[in-house]
Amino acid sequence: GQNIDQPTEMTATEGAIVQINCTYQTSGFNGLFWYQQHAGEAPTFLSYNVLDGLEEKGRFSSFLSRSKGYSYLLLKELQMKDSASYLCAVNSNSGYALNFGKGTSLLVTP
Amino acid sequence: DAGITQSPRHKVTETGTPVTLRCHQTENHRYMYWYRQDPGHGLRLIHYSYGVKDTDKGEVSDGYSVSRSKTEDFLLTLESATSSQTSVYFCAIRGLGNTDTQYFGPGTRLTVL
Repeated sequence: GQNIDQPTEMTATEGAIVQINCTYQTSGFNGLFWYQQHAGEAPTFLSYNVLDGLEEKGRFSSFLSRSKGYSYLLLKELQMKDSASYLCAVNSNSGYALNFGKGTSLLVTP
Repeated sequence: DAGITQSPRHKVTETGTPVTLRCHQTENHRYMYWYRQDPGHGLRLIHYSYGVKDTDKGEVSDGYSVSRSKTEDFLLTLESATSSQTSVYFCAIRGLGNTDTQYFGPGTRLTVL
């Protein structure tokens, strides 16, 4: 089985930087995903890491350490529209299905 | 946009009635998935399909069945709905390429009274 942990809630200020952590325990690993989900909407894909290191994509970056079972999503220059839930997911060996953490609800305040 | 639609988008039904949710995709993706999302639980896999007539169970499959008679359609059926199946249901497809990125449909909000 797989166990994926991430903080339930975080608050940050507009213009600041926030780091959302995710730890996982898995019997097999084929990649880690981050999704963004605004209230009442579907999750949308943000990033994918399969090798150790940092992947940067505009204001968002994602880091992976496979040996530590650890990832983080870094959001820079926060904007109000970044208020959303951020979902960490790990690839399962079963039908390429994803196992999701419970999500981190991020509130960006003025 | 992965061309995924779900119908209906909202449904209210009564305990004991059958309910079928439809997921439709237009880009010939082989893998399709049904998840449910509940507060405190996150997204959980119900069933998935890896081709026409090929399906398998996920983490929370009890009380649900699926069918895939055409590549583009993946149906989720609640044979006899219960209040515990009140949830938001998302369909997803596995994108093309070397990653296993999944793309989600808009979701169906189901309320079982």
